[in-house]
Amino acid sequence: GQQLNQSPQSMFIQEGEDVSMNCTSSSIFNTWLWYKQDPGEGPVLLIALYKAGELTSNGRLTAQFGITRKDSFLNISASIPSDVGIYFCAGRESQKLVFGQGTRLTINP
Amino acid sequence: EPEVTQTPSHQVTQMGQEVILRCVPISNHLYFYWYRQILGQKVEFLVSFYNNEISEKSEIFDDQFSVERPDGSNFTLKIRSTKLEDSAMYFCASSLDRGALYSNQPQHFGDGTRLSIL
Repeated sequence: GQQLNQSPQSMFIQEGEDVSMNCTSSSIFNTWLWYKQDPGEGPVLLIALYKAGELTSNGRLTAQFGITRKDSFLNISASIPSDVGIYFCAGRESQKLVFGQGTRLTINP
Repeated sequence: EPEVTQTPSHQVTQMGQEVILRCVPISNHLYFYWYRQILGQKVEFLVSFYNNEISEKSEIFDDQFSVERPDGSNFTLKIRSTKLEDSAMYFCASSLDRGALYSNQPQHFGDGTRLSIL
């Protein structure tokens, strides 16, 4: 099956800073999604990307679907305390989602 | 906003016992999924279900696992004879469609059931 490599594994930033994380794959995905998971909860969809090269924003979040369809990045601008959590990228392979290992974001006030 | 609901939130079971995890998908959704997440690891696909049958399953989903949609609202995952390594968070998800190219109907997840096998 396909594997996603997500980096960085963890980030420690100051409130107000911008954040960038990315996912790469050795194979093509037709859909990329970014989810956020808070402790004790399920993944919550942030952004879905369907077309190669697509750039999509959701408030302070921006994500892009790489032109080769093998990578995606997620940017968070002007981070706030509630941005703390684990961010997962996921690629759709047939009917299933293949998840990355996650990026744990910690914000110092 | 409609959401996927899962019960119980935490299930503790003796090894070898059967366990049933329950999910109520979003009401107009047609595709249903189970995923699991072992503590500290990534989310892994188990099975997808459509039109009352399994449409895709992973190698994790062996003969001890089964899924069922017993009525018009519930979707269940049964683990027949639990093992210690079955301890994990189990997430149910649903989507309106299977996610065709350029579709805007992604999978939405419940908050999970934490399964602890003793």
